[in-house]
Amino acid sequence: GNSVTQMEGPVTLSEEAFLTINCTYTATGYPSLFWYVQYPGEGLQLLLKATKADDKGSNKGFEATYRKETTSFHLEKGSVQVSDSAVYFCALSDRIFKAAGNKLTFGGGTRVLVKP
Amino acid sequence: DADVTQTPRNRITKTGKRIMLECSQTKGHDRMYWYRQDPGLGLRLIYYSFDVKDINKGEISDGYSVSRQAQAKFSLSLESAIPNQTALYFCATSDPYGGSTDTQYFGPGTRLTVL
Repeated sequence: GNSVTQMEGPVTLSEEAFLTINCTYTATGYPSLFWYVQYPGEGLQLLLKATKADDKGSNKGFEATYRKETTSFHLEKGSVQVSDSAVYFCALSDRIFKAAGNKLTFGGGTRVLVKP
Repeated sequence: DADVTQTPRNRITKTGKRIMLECSQTKGHDRMYWYRQDPGLGLRLIYYSFDVKDINKGEISDGYSVSRQAQAKFSLSLESAIPNQTALYFCATSDPYGGSTDTQYFGPGTRLTVL
């Protein structure tokens, strides 16, 4: 079955530091990959996505590249801000289920705390 | 106004009680989902619905039931709540024409505590 593994947190950083959150996956078929972010007290919102190998998703200074050879989708940001403090979830959607809808499989989430 | 709303936002109940969590959306999406979030486990799918007449079990449906009253409304029920159902519950919607790459839009969540 499908699974997503991401590094456990919490990750504590100083403002302007470089952030990397590792994510690896196992899936049948050809998954699309997502990063969702959950700010305190809110629901999840899409941060970025990639639909095929070598695609790079980017948004709000965050980037992630779909690496089929290493089954990875690591999230990076060059200079974090206090406002980036949140929980980040890696997820996949397997295209085998295309006709059956977009069922997402989530990783466990990584809490990031950015200090001033 | 929020596109996906959930009520209540917080609920404390006792073991054995019946509880209903409600979700409404104004996005016009046919597909709706219920997830639960537990620390370190991410989100796990409870039920999903492709339209009013199409409801499917997710990976952890035992102890839960759902009702799709209209395109815009999808309710989750706990028939007899137990303490290990204490969790954060999220409703989500998606666009059926987005294929396998469609984005899911989440509500703010309901924090449920079963004593």
